[in-house]
Amino acid sequence: NAGVTQTPKFRVLKTGQSMTLLCAQDMNHEYMYWYRQDPGMGLRLIHYSVGEGTTAKGEVPDGYNVSRLKKQNFLLGLESAAPSQTSVYFCASSYEDGGPFTDTQYFGPGTRLTVL
Amino acid sequence: SQQGEEDPQALSIQEGENATMNCSYKTSINNLQWYRQNSGRGLVHLILIRSNEREKHSGRLRVTLDTSKKSSSLLITASRAADTASYFCATDERRPALIFGKGTTLSVSS
Repeated sequence: NAGVTQTPKFRVLKTGQSMTLLCAQDMNHEYMYWYRQDPGMGLRLIHYSVGEGTTAKGEVPDGYNVSRLKKQNFLLGLESAAPSQTSVYFCASSYEDGGPFTDTQYFGPGTRLTVL
Repeated sequence: SQQGEEDPQALSIQEGENATMNCSYKTSINNLQWYRQNSGRGLVHLILIRSNEREKHSGRLRVTLDTSKKSSSLLITASRAADTASYFCATDERRPALIFGKGTTLSVSS
């Protein structure tokens, strides 16, 4: 099992350019998440999905869009990149049984994005 | 807003010593989790403690939870150089999503 994989690992964009980050998991998890990590800020939730075809906003959703067309994939899009979006982006997935307790999240290796 | 806040922000110890990190949170939770992040890598789950548990062990790790004080602590006993990493607590304020704190950076020197 590869677990959670992210593509690409590194990317440099110019202000105003667009790009899509791909997250894939092979654990048959229903739930998937996108976070960004900035120095001194910890991880902040951008968007998440509780199943194929569903998405929900997190703490910092502005400037990002997401899609979950297939259960195993969760895409994060930047339509018009800004320097403030320079960050490390992490994808995660989890199995949830629908009960009151959140489950362990499994993280990908991250994508380091620089916007000039 | 971020839920968990770790303390201290940074901790430097010698191999063999114990390391204690604390996490405080603001609202009621069902469970709290601790994760480790090695430099430049993704987060790895360490331990999960439910709100009806007070203490949990996993190898050299010991986690306590005090829901009345809204706080948790992570103790790593007999630290090794390989324990050098950042440690994050995460709460389920926004279930099913986790809200992470800013982390404690642990440096263990030999």
